[in-house]
Amino acid sequence: GIQVEQSPPDLILQEGANSTLRCNFSDSVNNLQWFHQNPWGQLINLFYIPSGTKQNGRLSATTVATERYSLLYISSSQTTDSGVYFCAPREGKLIFGQGTELSVKP
Amino acid sequence: NAGVTQTPKFQVLKTGQSMTLQCAQDMNHNSMYWYRQDPGMGLRLIYYSASEGTTDKGEVPNGYNVSRLNKREFSLRLESAAPSQTSVYFCASSNGVEQFFGPGTRLTVL
Repeated sequence: GIQVEQSPPDLILQEGANSTLRCNFSDSVNNLQWFHQNPWGQLINLFYIPSGTKQNGRLSATTVATERYSLLYISSSQTTDSGVYFCAPREGKLIFGQGTELSVKP
Repeated sequence: NAGVTQTPKFQVLKTGQSMTLQCAQDMNHNSMYWYRQDPGMGLRLIYYSASEGTTDKGEVPNGYNVSRLNKREFSLRLESAAPSQTSVYFCASSNGVEQFFGPGTRLTVL
């Protein structure tokens, strides 16, 4: 089955900094979602992005399906951005990566 | 519009006990899913239901059973709980494009 690799595994930022999270996947997919799991464990939908670029406030995502990767950009990070970010490409069903754990310090 | 709801939020079981985790969605989605999440890991699919009346195994189905009671409800049953089933369980539903998750059930098996 499809393999998903997220990098970096951990990231510590100062409030206000920008960051890029990467998701590589091993095979063609027809769907990809990004989620944020907050420190209380809740999974929040960020983007449905099988290809192209989308923006939502300070967050944006780009998927280049032909090259099998997706990027999540966080600009002007805030402490509320802390948590784990998962990408989940879809090969029939969603396949979750191990996540990037982000900690934003005030 | 509550989205996806799960009960209970927390549960502690003794080895060998049984229990059922409940999940309901009010978004009229055809597909529903059960996942488990272990510490430091992503979510792994236990079972899913592509539509009312159908269920299929996911990546880690052993030790679990499911019932798609109707379009809204999808339950997960542990017949004889084991310590290895200590985890956080998430239910999700999908409109065929995006999946939406419930708040999770934290289960501890002693």
